[in-house]
Amino acid sequence: RKEVEQDPGPFNVPEGATVAFNCTYSNSASQSFFWYRQDCRKEPKLLMSVYSSGNEDGRFTAQLNRASQYISLLIRDSKLSDSATYLCVASYLGDSNYQLIWGAGTKLIIKP
Amino acid sequence: SQTIHQWPATLVQPVGSPLSLECTVEGTSNPNLYWYRQAAGRGLQLLFYSVGIGQISSEVPQNLSASRPQDRQFILSSKKLLLSDSGFYLCAWRRGSGNTIYFGEGSWLTVV
Repeated sequence: RKEVEQDPGPFNVPEGATVAFNCTYSNSASQSFFWYRQDCRKEPKLLMSVYSSGNEDGRFTAQLNRASQYISLLIRDSKLSDSATYLCVASYLGDSNYQLIWGAGTKLIIKP
Repeated sequence: SQTIHQWPATLVQPVGSPLSLECTVEGTSNPNLYWYRQAAGRGLQLLFYSVGIGQISSEVPQNLSASRPQDRQFILSSKKLLLSDSGFYLCAWRRGSGNTIYFGEGSWLTVV
């Protein structure tokens, strides 16, 4: 079982719709969580951190459910420019270093 | 503000040739540095990380090596490339006290 799992998609969504995807993690010691956005053939860029109480940044809302060990990303009023691959990452402090465990990404395609 | 750059952006190398990818970070001191590889349609694979000059930890045994000759410089090398070394290589940094990771622009390597 992968430590961080995401539905690879693609999610094909009409422009203006709301889309949500989840990411599950297996290590209950995970402390911090993030969503990154990666455009085709580009580097991942930080979209938002995920806080325990949930957080919102414009059209984007991130949630954390520690009991069920998943994080979610909700995109409202989707734009064509939201088309990208979304990576989730969980971090924890290992025996001697800070560990980052990446999901393989969920591909999102927004259609006009 | 902090910036990270890596080069070259794209390279095509024959099997058996050497490799050198360079990465520099500006605007911070004593960063944690990372080299990742991302194969087509796959997740991020951590190759090396470094917490300080001359301190390199290898995550995956392979024919690649890394060096950190200066505080803000991280180099990925190979003496003899294999076809399987093709992929997207990403350098990244994290503030020692922070938990957010930032990526360079990436280097596309095609071994032929």
